[in-house]
Amino acid sequence: DAGITQSPRHKVTETGTPVTLRCHQTENHRYMYWYRQDPGHGLRLIHYSYGVKDTDKGEVSDGYSVSRSKTEDFLLTLESATSSQTSVYFCAISVTPSGQGGKLFFGSGTQLSVL
Amino acid sequence: AQKITQTQPGMFVQEKEAVTLDCTYDTSDPSYGLFWYKQPSSGEMIFLIYQGSYDQQNATEGRYSLNFQKARKSANLVISASQLGDSAMYFCAMREIKIQGAQKLVFGQGTRLTINP
Repeated sequence: DAGITQSPRHKVTETGTPVTLRCHQTENHRYMYWYRQDPGHGLRLIHYSYGVKDTDKGEVSDGYSVSRSKTEDFLLTLESATSSQTSVYFCAISVTPSGQGGKLFFGSGTQLSVL
Repeated sequence: AQKITQTQPGMFVQEKEAVTLDCTYDTSDPSYGLFWYKQPSSGEMIFLIYQGSYDQQNATEGRYSLNFQKARKSANLVISASQLGDSAMYFCAMREIKIQGAQKLVFGQGTRLTINP
């Protein structure tokens, strides 16, 4: 499982509240990613990191921010949660060099419900 | 922009039959990679198989093979001798290289495969 732990696994929150999801990895991987999964859309990239304090936006970054102050932790923050952010959130890492194209290893996911 | 299309929202197959899941892609990048992931009802994402754009042979991993037709821009997943445990959502994805070597994967919408006994 590439040593990836997401927390919490489930969360219910109210519209307008801030929410932070944590991704923790134990194998010192450089690249980390946050995706969201919604029916009919597959998985879509929110933000990614290519090193400590080095992050960039993905295709659905509006309303989200990230931080990576140390290699092992990649935090995803919803500054003011909205119902449209109800989703399953996956953290992932990629391993390079890799004989399989830099495939992603995924965490177990966080089910977030915004009421 | 890269795009992945999976046109089969759902498929129903009898156990032990072979099944083909369709995936077409669009990219202007001559170097790309194609992936298939399986997501069972438990929710985890499981890597199945990878095909690089310059690979001469179709990728195989056990009962999984990738029917790669570059000119047609298709990368269909073939599962031989299907089993009940193959019932899951299947995602096709394409790699895009981002800043400093980060690997962005663009995913299709998925195909839900149901294996009937």
